[in-house]
Amino acid sequence: GDSVTQMEGPVTLSEEAFLTINCTYTATGYPSLFWYVQYPGEGLQLLLKATKADDKGSNKGFEATYRKETTSFHLEKGSVQVSDSAVYFCALRGNTGNQFYFGTGTSLTVIP
Amino acid sequence: DADVTQTPRNRITKTGKRIMLECSQTKGHDRMYWYRQDPGLGLRLIYYSFDVKDINKGEISDGYSVSRQAQAKFSLSLESAIPNQTALYFCATSDLPRRGIGELFFGEGSRLTVL
Repeated sequence: GDSVTQMEGPVTLSEEAFLTINCTYTATGYPSLFWYVQYPGEGLQLLLKATKADDKGSNKGFEATYRKETTSFHLEKGSVQVSDSAVYFCALRGNTGNQFYFGTGTSLTVIP
Repeated sequence: DADVTQTPRNRITKTGKRIMLECSQTKGHDRMYWYRQDPGLGLRLIYYSFDVKDINKGEISDGYSVSRQAQAKFSLSLESAIPNQTALYFCATSDLPRRGIGELFFGEGSRLTVL
């Protein structure tokens, strides 16, 4: 069945460091891929998305590219800020469009 | 006002009590979901509903039931709460994929503690 495997955390970085959070998926067909972010005490909110191979999603300085050949959707940011401290979830919506599958989440802490 | 509203936001209860978590949405979406979040386990789907007459079990439906009272309302019940149901619960909605990207929109969560 469809699934998402996400880099385990927690991750601690200094401000302005480069961030990569790895995400790989297993799915049939062409799923849609998402990154969600959960700030402390809040619900999840969509960070970025991609619907087909080679699409690049981007938002707030974060980027992720849909790589079908490596079944990956790694999240990157060139220079993190303290305000980026949150839990990040990789997710996919299966080919049928009926269900979403989430990774276990990666906690990021950015220190000044 | 939030597009997806959950009540209560926090609840402490005792083993054996019946608990209802409520969710309402103003996004006009047909699809609604209940997820449970536990540390290290991510989000797990409890139940989902694609319209008022459609209810489907997710991967961890045992011990839970749901009711879709209207397009905008979807409630989750724990008939007899037990301590391992202590978790953060999220309601979410989505539109049909053919109408757009079909991503999930989440409420702010309901933290339930069962003593």
